[in-house]
Amino acid sequence: QKEVEQNSGPLSVPEGAIASLNCTYSDRGSQSFFWYRQYSGKSPELIMSIYSNGDKEDGRFTAQLNKASQYVSLLIRDSQPSDSATYLCAVRNTGNQFYFGTGTSLTVIP
Amino acid sequence: ETGVTQTPRHLVMGMTNKKSLKCEQHLGHNAMYWYKQSAKKPLELMFVYNFKEQTENNSVPSRFSPECPNSSHLFLHLHTLQPEDSALYLCASSYSKIVSETQYFGPGTRLLVL
Repeated sequence: QKEVEQNSGPLSVPEGAIASLNCTYSDRGSQSFFWYRQYSGKSPELIMSIYSNGDKEDGRFTAQLNKASQYVSLLIRDSQPSDSATYLCAVRNTGNQFYFGTGTSLTVIP
Repeated sequence: ETGVTQTPRHLVMGMTNKKSLKCEQHLGHNAMYWYKQSAKKPLELMFVYNFKEQTENNSVPSRFSPECPNSSHLFLHLHTLQPEDSALYLCASSYSKIVSETQYFGPGTRLLVL
């Protein structure tokens, strides 16, 4: 079983729609959860972090965490073409170990 | 650009060459990491240094040799690489003792082994 699993996509949404990205993880001891965005040929950049169950909102982005279900998601409201990228889910446990998913490719169609 | 820099940005080398990748962080972090990113694969953690001490080595072949002279600098020495080692090599840093802190990535070195 992989440490972190994501749907590889590709996911396509029209401009202005909500994009929903999902991630599950295997280690119940995981403490911190992150979403990175990676444009083609670039390095990952952090867009959201979440540590407690529930929702966390930052502009058009909302991260949702459910530790009981070992599930974390990212919602992007009013999607823009500039949101087209690969989104990486990352999980950090108490041993300072980071695990990344394979990423979900998102395309926002104008 | 982030507070993590990497040089060179692109590197082409033959299988018999020896080269080194350099990473420098200006964020005051204590932990530094080397990752390998290949197409269609998750980021693969190669090495972790915590307060200059190597704390993790995920079964990386000996043709990759890390060096961390201080908490701000990290090197990856390469020798007798194979074509399958061609990938994007990313350096990252973090405050290791603070679980809630994330990693910050450098721009990466795109490596091609011929």
